[in-house]
Amino acid sequence: GQQLNQSPQSMFIQEGEDVSMNCTSSSIFNTWLWYKQDPGEGPVLLIALYKAGELTSNGRLTAQFGITRKDSFLNISASIPSDVGIYFCAGQPLFGNDKIIFGKGTRLHILP
Amino acid sequence: EAGVVQSPRYKIIEKKQPVAFWCNPISGHNTLYWYRQNLGQGPELLIRYENEEAVDDSQLPKDRFSAERLKGVDSTLKIQPAELGDSAVYLCASSLDLRAGYTFGSGTRLTVV
Repeated sequence: GQQLNQSPQSMFIQEGEDVSMNCTSSSIFNTWLWYKQDPGEGPVLLIALYKAGELTSNGRLTAQFGITRKDSFLNISASIPSDVGIYFCAGQPLFGNDKIIFGKGTRLHILP
Repeated sequence: EAGVVQSPRYKIIEKKQPVAFWCNPISGHNTLYWYRQNLGQGPELLIRYENEEAVDDSQLPKDRFSAERLKGVDSTLKIQPAELGDSAVYLCASSLDLRAGYTFGSGTRLTVV
């Protein structure tokens, strides 16, 4: 079936470091979405990508829609404490009947 | 503008009891989704509504789960009877355009004991 493989599962970084995480699939996707979830809250949309090769920024966040349409990455520059949380990639498969599926998330920890 | 509102925030019930969750989507959002999120996992779709019609309920365990969206606005998700494995966060989301992504509510954390 269609699955998203998100990596890494978790990251421990120092404040100020850059972060990179990615999402891959064996299927082609029409849309890639990146969400952040804080404890006790629902996921919040960070960036939406619609075209292969598209590179989009939202403040210190940058995400790209892979050329093969089977992957996407999210970068966070100069991390700050409020970046802590779980980052989910999500995508709409080409043959998914308008369904959006989610990866298992990357848990970001920032060391004091 | 109010976001997606869910209630209750937390629910603890004994197994075999019924439970219901309520969702009020963003005004004007025709599409409403119920997701279940198990600990350490991403959300998994249970059911999707377009207005009052359930257009995708293929992942809804229909032996014990039911949902309705009367008048195409608010929605309720019910579990009867609940099992231990139903413990999870139940998220409601709504959207105007699928490609623009969803707006999620804060979820209902269900604990079945």
